[in-house]
Amino acid sequence: GAVVSQHPSWVICKSGTSVKIECRSLDFQATTMFWYRQFPKQSLMLMATSNEGSKATYEQGVEKDKFLINHASLTLSTLTVTSAHPEDSSFYICSARDSIQDYEQYFGPGTRLTVT
Amino acid sequence: AQTVTQSQPEMSVQEAETVTLSCTYDTSENNYYLFWYKQPPSRQMILVIRQEAYKQQNATENRFSVNFQKAAKSFSLKISDSQLGDTAMYFCAFMKRSNDYKLSFGAGTTVTVRA
Repeated sequence: GAVVSQHPSWVICKSGTSVKIECRSLDFQATTMFWYRQFPKQSLMLMATSNEGSKATYEQGVEKDKFLINHASLTLSTLTVTSAHPEDSSFYICSARDSIQDYEQYFGPGTRLTVT
Repeated sequence: AQTVTQSQPEMSVQEAETVTLSCTYDTSENNYYLFWYKQPPSRQMILVIRQEAYKQQNATENRFSVNFQKAAKSFSLKISDSQLGDTAMYFCAFMKRSNDYKLSFGAGTTVTVRA
């Protein structure tokens, strides 16, 4: 099956700094990527939809200035958490939609962010 | 907006036995997909099974099968011959066939398989 990678898998940063998370589709082109946030033992919450070459669409309640999303190519989307605070600590997951099989989404392994 | 409800927060099953997870959803759409995803302790999301709403036949994947009742908006997952590796959190998800392809997830059911 198709593979999606995320980097880093775990990051610790200090409060007030910014951190970038990368999401790559390794063996297919993804015109659309999605970013989710997950708290322990809870479900995935969709944060935003990232379309290659256009601005991301954010879900209601998600601060677009805090969570900057860039989808610069058909295989790479990045999420930058700006001015991070301890409440931003969470597990962030991306998924990529296969441009050919439109119903198929492939998930990355996730990134654990800890803000101290 | 679509709502997906999983009413069982936790379930426990003996190895080799069968467990059924329930899922209901609310939608006015007629054309959509339903999914079951598994999230083991590694937290990697894994697709277990997919059902197209226009197909009446229930999907099966080896030991995993669904009972899709479109009129009742119900989509349960049956795990047969449970194995220790099935221990995970299971999420039911809905996707309407449209331009956005967004997944709406249920709250999840934690399944523990006992040896």
